[in-house]
Amino acid sequence: GAVVSQHPSRVICKSGTSVKIECRSLDFQATTMFWYRQFPKQSLMLMATSNEGSKATYEQGVEKDKFLINHASLTLSTLTVTSAHPEDSSFYICSARGGGRGTQETQYFGPGTRLLVL
Amino acid sequence: GQQLNQSPQSMFIQEGEDVSMNCTSSSIFNTWLWYKQDPGEGPVLLIALYKAGELTSNGRLTAQFGITRKDSFLNISASIPSDVGIYFCAGLVQGAQKLVFGQGTRLTINP
Repeated sequence: GAVVSQHPSRVICKSGTSVKIECRSLDFQATTMFWYRQFPKQSLMLMATSNEGSKATYEQGVEKDKFLINHASLTLSTLTVTSAHPEDSSFYICSARGGGRGTQETQYFGPGTRLLVL
Repeated sequence: GQQLNQSPQSMFIQEGEDVSMNCTSSSIFNTWLWYKQDPGEGPVLLIALYKAGELTSNGRLTAQFGITRKDSFLNISASIPSDVGIYFCAGLVQGAQKLVFGQGTRLTINP
């Protein structure tokens, strides 16, 4: 199946700093990428949808100035958590959907990034 | 909006038993996806279904796309310890970008 990578896998930062998470589709071109947040023992919560070359669409309640998303190429999207605070500590997972026939309607997920803000 | 009701929420079974879980909705979906998530990892795609009535297997896993397009089930035969995890169903409405997720089924296996 298609492979999506995420980096870093875990990060610890001080309150007030910014953290960037990268998401790459390794063997297919992703016309659409998604960023999710997951709290313990809960399902995935969609934060935003991003299409290559255009601005991300944020879900209700997600601050776009807090969570900056850039989808500059068909294989790379980044999520920057700006001025992170302890309440931003969570598990962030990216997902990618390709434009090819085999991957068009299927979403593949990255391994996730565990963020801890002290 | 669309919602997926996934059941059961949790299962405690003996190794070797078969497992069945399902997702239902009042909305019609064009695609059904089943994922498994291990602790600290992202969801891994198990089976993708694209046609109503479709029955697809992946090893000991079998999933079906309901004929009404409003439901799907996942069966696991002869469970083994590595089947432990959380299973999520997800559906996609034609023309939509966002997947709709079920709440997950947590599977625990007693050896």
